Amino acid sequence: DVKVTQSSRYLVKRTGEKVFLECVQDMDHENMFWYRQDPGLGLRLIYFSYDVKMKEKGDIPEGYSVSREKKERFSLILESASTNQTSMYLCASSLQRTGDEAFFGQGTRLTVV
Amino acid sequence: QKEVEQNSGPLSVPEGAIASLNCTYSDRGSQSFFWYRQYSGKSPELIMFIYSNGDKEDGRFTAQLNKASQYVSLLIRDSQPSDSATYLCAVRGDNAGNMLTFGGGTRLMVKP
Repeated sequence: DVKVTQSSRYLVKRTGEKVFLECVQDMDHENMFWYRQDPGLGLRLIYFSYDVKMKEKGDIPEGYSVSREKKERFSLILESASTNQTSMYLCASSLQRTGDEAFFGQGTRLTVV
Repeated sequence: QKEVEQNSGPLSVPEGAIASLNCTYSDRGSQSFFWYRQYSGKSPELIMFIYSNGDKEDGRFTAQLNKASQYVSLLIRDSQPSDSATYLCAVRGDNAGNMLTFGGGTRLMVKP
């Protein structure tokens, strides 16, 4: 069965903390994505990766970085968390073939106080 | 910046009616088009994908694509209350470096 697992379902962090969100997929997918979802704004792409050690900025990369050292793992890093980064974070993965769907993790609801 | 636009809704339809959800996109290089359903508090799940002009049917769902007009739609026939959710349109190009871009979603409410 297809599986994308995010390390935490809920997180509460303090302003200025360095935050790591981890995502692991077991489907040998090349592509991995990090989105944030906010009411009225839909899913906005932060970063994506199409291969190990490769990364591309999405629409809203400011304040974030990513790491992909292994094919199955894609980490999102908030270098210095701020209250405007309070959001639902969704990780997804997919193959690169045309038409292949992206599978989502369960999401991490991050609150920065 | 690639854009995918959807009416946020809510779109309210009576049970048994046809729900029509629309999506436009800005990047003519887009090759694959997806419709996801997202229930409140849950992750998106794929309903259908389409990449050729025309219609694609799967049960009560029909996806329609018009690349010339940069328009993709989803029809839900015989709508059920369980179809009440947010529907997300997503597009991507055909190259390794092409990202998957989502619209803001349309909230559908099916009333018994």
